[in-house]
Amino acid sequence: GEDVEQSLFLSVREGDSSVINCTYTDSSSTYLYWYKQEPGAGLQLLTYIFSNMDMKQDQRLTVLLNKKDKHLSLRIADTQTGDSAIYFCAHPLKESGGSYIPTFGRGTSLIVHP
Amino acid sequence: KAGVTQTPRYLIKTRGQQVTLSCSPISGHRSVSWYQQTPGQGLQFLFEYFSETQRNKGNFPGRFSGRQFSNSRSEMNVSTLELGDSALYLCASSTGLAGALYNEQFFGPGTRLTVL
Repeated sequence: GEDVEQSLFLSVREGDSSVINCTYTDSSSTYLYWYKQEPGAGLQLLTYIFSNMDMKQDQRLTVLLNKKDKHLSLRIADTQTGDSAIYFCAHPLKESGGSYIPTFGRGTSLIVHP
Repeated sequence: KAGVTQTPRYLIKTRGQQVTLSCSPISGHRSVSWYQQTPGQGLQFLFEYFSETQRNKGNFPGRFSGRQFSNSRSEMNVSTLELGDSALYLCASSTGLAGALYNEQFFGPGTRLTVL
């Protein structure tokens, strides 16, 4: 399997909450990140969480981390059409040589409809 | 503060050719990382440069290379292009004090490379 897995698509109605899920394999990761990519643009860091935290809230964003299950989620409250984008989960993956490689999931396309 | 800029934004090449892409990081940032984004493989890390030295490298063949100049600007080169090299190439800069992904990375808009 892949080192970071995400579902590919999520469709929600404007005003509802969106929950994007991610599972990862490397339990030694100290940071886990959520990035957003809008059409034709590069990635933008949304938020991150330290591995010693269970939850982090930042305005409409809530990140939940379950280290035991290696599961990360991003909840967007009151989702707006402007939230339509691709969301990437990412973390540094430790390679056999000891170096850390930035590793991204394939991204979840969030579609927000009126 | 100006963001990360990448040139050119679009490029069309044929198989066997080589290509050079350029990235100018945010002023003051010393780390530049390169990524390849394709529909099939997703976003994959190519390499990271910090203070003109390659600090980290992903799993790509030697046809992919890069360098960083004293002003932190970076170039990546792909030689003997293959059809599978068609992708969006993203550059990201950071202060770099603790390595790629341990510092917030700021991404450029990317260079769309098409290999015919």
